[in-house]
This record gives sequence, C-alpha cells and structure tokens, in this order.
Amino acid sequence: GNSVTQMEGPVTLSEEAFLTINCTYTATGYPSLFWYVQYPGEGLQLLLKATKADDKGSNKGFEATYRKETTSFHLEKGSVQVSDSAVYFCALSTLGGGSNYKLTFGKGTLLTVNP
Amino acid sequence: GAGVSQTPSNKVTEKGKYVELRCDPISGHTALYWYRQSLGQGPEFLIYFQGTGAADDSGLPNDRFFAVRPEGSVSTLKIQRTERGDSAVYLCASSPQGPNEQFFGPGTRLTVL
Repeated sequence: GNSVTQMEGPVTLSEEAFLTINCTYTATGYPSLFWYVQYPGEGLQLLLKATKADDKGSNKGFEATYRKETTSFHLEKGSVQVSDSAVYFCALSTLGGGSNYKLTFGKGTLLTVNP
Repeated sequence: GAGVSQTPSNKVTEKGKYVELRCDPISGHTALYWYRQSLGQGPEFLIYFQGTGAADDSGLPNDRFFAVRPEGSVSTLKIQRTERGDSAVYLCASSPQGPNEQFFGPGTRLTVL
C-alpha cells in the first residue's frame, strides 16, 4: 500500500534560516506528490505539487523536487519568515478504483519561526 | 468564491449517541472526500464520492460510519453509537473530476465524552 514518512518535528528556526523538511514515500504505481500547509486556526491548503519524476514544485519561496530514484520529495526554503510558522504535511495520491485520487498523508511537521 | 464549508465546527457528544457532520463542497466539484485527522497525525482517508455514489468507502473504520451525497453536492457523514475513539477532526475536501487539487474545508472537531 501507499505510505508517507516525513521528518518528525517540531522544528524551530530563526527568521531567515534555511529550511528542509524531509519526506519519503512508498507507492504502487506512479504517484503525484504534494505538500500541504495548515496555518494556525486555518484549514489545509495546497502549498505545491509535482506529478512526475524530476518535476519541481514551487510556491511562496518553497520548493520540492520529485526524486523517483530516492522516493523523496523534500521541502526546502532558503529564508524562512515568522509567517511560515505552520504544520506541513507531505502527501501522495495514486489513481484508485472509480477515479479515486485519495491522498495519503504523512504525520505532519510543526515549524515555528522565531523573529 | 466560496470554499468548502463544514458544519458544525465543533461537536461534543456523549458515548453511544448518533451524530451527523455536514460538508458543502465547492459548486461544480464532482469529487468529494472525507478524511479523519487524529491528534498529532495526518489526515486519513475515509470515503470518496464521485457524483452521488460512494465510489470508494474502504477507509470507513466500521459499520457505525456511513456517508451520503444524495444530490451530488452536499454530503453528510453519519456516525452511530459514537465511541471515545471517534474523537478527531473530520475533514471534507472537494475537487473537479480527475487528478486535481483537493480543496479542504475547515473541519469539524468531534469530541465524544
């Protein structure tokens, strides 16, 4: 079956520090890969995605590259801001029966950025 | 435009009671998903609707859980004989048909005393 393993948190950084949150996956077929973010008091929202090997997803200064050879999709940002404090979830989807693209999530990583 | 809405935002009930959780997806989205998020965990898939039919209910934990989407829009997740272990945040997401971004609602936090 499908599974996602992401770096355990919490992660605490100072503003302008470099961020990496590791994510590896196991999947049948050819998954699409996602990073979702949950800001305090808000719902889950898509941060970035990649649908095939070697694709790079990017948004708001965050990047992640789909590495099929290492089954990884690590999230990076060169200079974090206080406003990036949130819980980050790595996820994948593969096509299931009935056109089901259900998501399989990691456990989430809490990021706190201090000024 | 309006996003996915879920009601109630919070629900406290007693063990053994019946609850209904409602999801109002984005207009025109044919795919609707329910997930459950326990404390400290990522969301876990429960059930998927394509239109009015439940195309995949493999994530429902047991037969106390049931969901409907009678007109292909609003969906209701129903839990009978609630147990303390059912306490979690229940998330609804919708998307256009196909491998598209899923848009999540704010969730319903269910607490079973």
